[in-house]
Amino acid sequence: DGGITQSPKYLFRKEGQNVTLSCEQNLNHDAMYWYRQDPGQGLRLIYYSQIVNDFQKGDIAEGYSVSREKKESFPLTVTSAQKNPTAFYLCASSDYSNQPQHFGDGTRLSIL
Amino acid sequence: EDQVTQSPEALRLQEGESSSLNCSYTVSGLRGLFWYRQDPGKGPEFLFTLYSAGEEKEKERLKATLTKKESFLHITAPKPEDSATYLCAVQGSTPGSSNTGKLIFGQGTTLQVKP
Repeated sequence: DGGITQSPKYLFRKEGQNVTLSCEQNLNHDAMYWYRQDPGQGLRLIYYSQIVNDFQKGDIAEGYSVSREKKESFPLTVTSAQKNPTAFYLCASSDYSNQPQHFGDGTRLSIL
Repeated sequence: EDQVTQSPEALRLQEGESSSLNCSYTVSGLRGLFWYRQDPGKGPEFLFTLYSAGEEKEKERLKATLTKKESFLHITAPKPEDSATYLCAVQGSTPGSSNTGKLIFGQGTTLQVKP
């Protein structure tokens, strides 16, 4: 089945630690996105990538980094510089710019 | 600035009691409006895309409509399994949006349907 796989489902971060969230898609989509979801707020864009080896900052990129070495993969690193990382992180992909984005089932990140 | 506001924040219905969810938007040149359903602990599931005022889409008990300022998600004779959070998002024509697929999301409406 085609889809987007995010792992792990739950992740815990210690003080000063960087953690990486995985996102893999087999939909052959060019564009991929990372969002953060906090209670009572809409999804906010962290980073996006329209093509391999290229990515742009979204609205809340500070404290995060990404890479896009393969079309299928778009990992997100939450660095120690992100002071409030506790949230639900969602990865999405789409075909073209005005086509619907399809989402994975998210990773919930908490602080130890 | 592109903006999306959904109302109400929460809605409780009895099974079979029809109602509507509202999504008001401000955007420079709408390229698309998207409705999603999100269950607790899951990612949003795509429902509909609307591209121009007057357009309507239907799927089972759900019908989405679009005007120049807002979209409605009508739920007819809802069942308990329709309980979820419904998200609305828009894509505008501003630089950085039209060619990147960037979406602006509303906060969502949490629907509870009681048997």
